[in-house]
Amino acid sequence: AAGVIQSPRHLIKEKRETATLKCYPIPRHDTVYWYQQGPGQDPQFLISFYEKMQSDKGSIPDRFSAQQFSDYHSELNMSSLELGDSALYFCASSGRTDATSTDTQYFGPGTRLTVL
Amino acid sequence: GESVGLHLPTLSVQEGDNSIINCAYSNSASDYFIWYKQESGKGPQFIIDIRSNMDKRQGQRVTVLLNKTVKHLSLQIAATQPGDSAVYFCAENRRGADGLTFGKGTHLIIQP
Repeated sequence: AAGVIQSPRHLIKEKRETATLKCYPIPRHDTVYWYQQGPGQDPQFLISFYEKMQSDKGSIPDRFSAQQFSDYHSELNMSSLELGDSALYFCASSGRTDATSTDTQYFGPGTRLTVL
Repeated sequence: GESVGLHLPTLSVQEGDNSIINCAYSNSASDYFIWYKQESGKGPQFIIDIRSNMDKRQGQRVTVLLNKTVKHLSLQIAATQPGDSAVYFCAENRRGADGLTFGKGTHLIIQP
């Protein structure tokens, strides 16, 4: 079965640079979620989109923004990167299909961002 | 073997034994609960979920129990196998919210 795709899988940036992470949800899923997971930590919810509109907001810094496009893929834009932004960034998607229920969030493999 | 979640982040069990991983949640407004398995360097993998109108749900080798009175969730894994080694997170979804709130995770180690 198709899963959530994230790119790139690894990204190295310098302080104060920008980064863009991409997420392609499971086909026919209409909701996308972004999470940040620091080393040894649990995932923290950042933001979500339903049908291309922001639907919920968590602990996303003002330096970060995100959007969902007409094909339902989503991008997380991160500016003025700081050392503390080094983490795993996960995208999850949900939606009603033959194999999935509306509420269950299925996670992608993540993007490991390292800020030097 | 059995963990107490936040206070015992590592659970070591013998292969073939049953494992019980515990989780305390904080928000009485949460109405949907999920257990995820996360292997090193990978994304959380859905194991099983339960809604607040249920007390128990069974899957293949896994059972989730929900006690709303004491806000406690547990995951039971039968006949633990080496492939079950991972960090297990419980997550709760508050009514009306999208984002999941994750618990601190329990690292399950399988002894041969």
